[in-house]
Amino acid sequence: DAGVIQSPRHEVTEMGQEVTLRCKPISGHDYLFWYRQTMMRGLELLIYFNNNVPIDDSGMPEDRFSAKMPNASFSTLKIQPSEPRDSAVYFCASSRTYYEAFFGQGTRLTVV
Amino acid sequence: TQLLEQSPQFLSIQEGENLTVYCNSSSVFSSLQWYRQEPGEGPVLLVTVVTGGEVKKLKRLTFQFGDARKDSSLHITAAQPGDTGLYLCAGPYTGGFKTIFGAGTRLFVKA
Repeated sequence: DAGVIQSPRHEVTEMGQEVTLRCKPISGHDYLFWYRQTMMRGLELLIYFNNNVPIDDSGMPEDRFSAKMPNASFSTLKIQPSEPRDSAVYFCASSRTYYEAFFGQGTRLTVV
Repeated sequence: TQLLEQSPQFLSIQEGENLTVYCNSSSVFSSLQWYRQEPGEGPVLLVTVVTGGEVKKLKRLTFQFGDARKDSSLHITAAQPGDTGLYLCAGPYTGGFKTIFGAGTRLFVKA
C-alpha cells in the first residue's frame, strides 16, 4: 500500500512567487494534516482536515497561507506571496485518528 | 499551555551502548506517540502508549508511559548505527483535536 505522497520533493522559488505543495493521503484515512518543520521551531501543525473539511487552521501563520482538500485523495497548501522566512520542510500526513500520523517524505521549500 | 519537553536534545554514543531518552510534561495526556525521523525523510510512527504504567517493546526499543500519564521514556538496548535519527514524542492536545510534538532528541550512533 502506497504511503502519503507529496510533490514536489524540492522547490526553490523567488520571493513573491506563488508556491503550491501537493499531497495524496493514504486511502481510507479520514484525517489529513499539514506540518512545517524548521530547526528553530521544530514540527508545527499548520492545519488539519477531517473528511475533507478544515477543522483547525489556527497554526496557519498568516493570510498568505491557504490549504484546500477538494476530495479525499488530494490536498494542496499554497503560499502566495512567498517570503524567505517560509523556507522550511513541509510535511503532509494522514491518519484514521487525530492523534497518530503517517507522514509523507516532505517538500523542502527554499525561498530566495 | 501543554508542552512536551524532551531530553537530552542531542546524544552521541558508540554502537552497542544502551540509552534512554525522556519526554516530560506538566499536563496529563490521554496517550503519547513516539516517532523516529531519519535525515531527509518524514517522521515514522513507532508506538502509541495509552495506559499509565504501560510498557511496550519493539525489538531493542522499550517504551514506557508514566503512571500519571505525564511522561514517557524510550530505552534502546545495544544501539546500532541504524538507530541514528531524531526521536520525537507527541501527544493529543486536550484543548482541541490535534497533536503537539516535542522538539526531539537527536541520536547519533557511531560504528
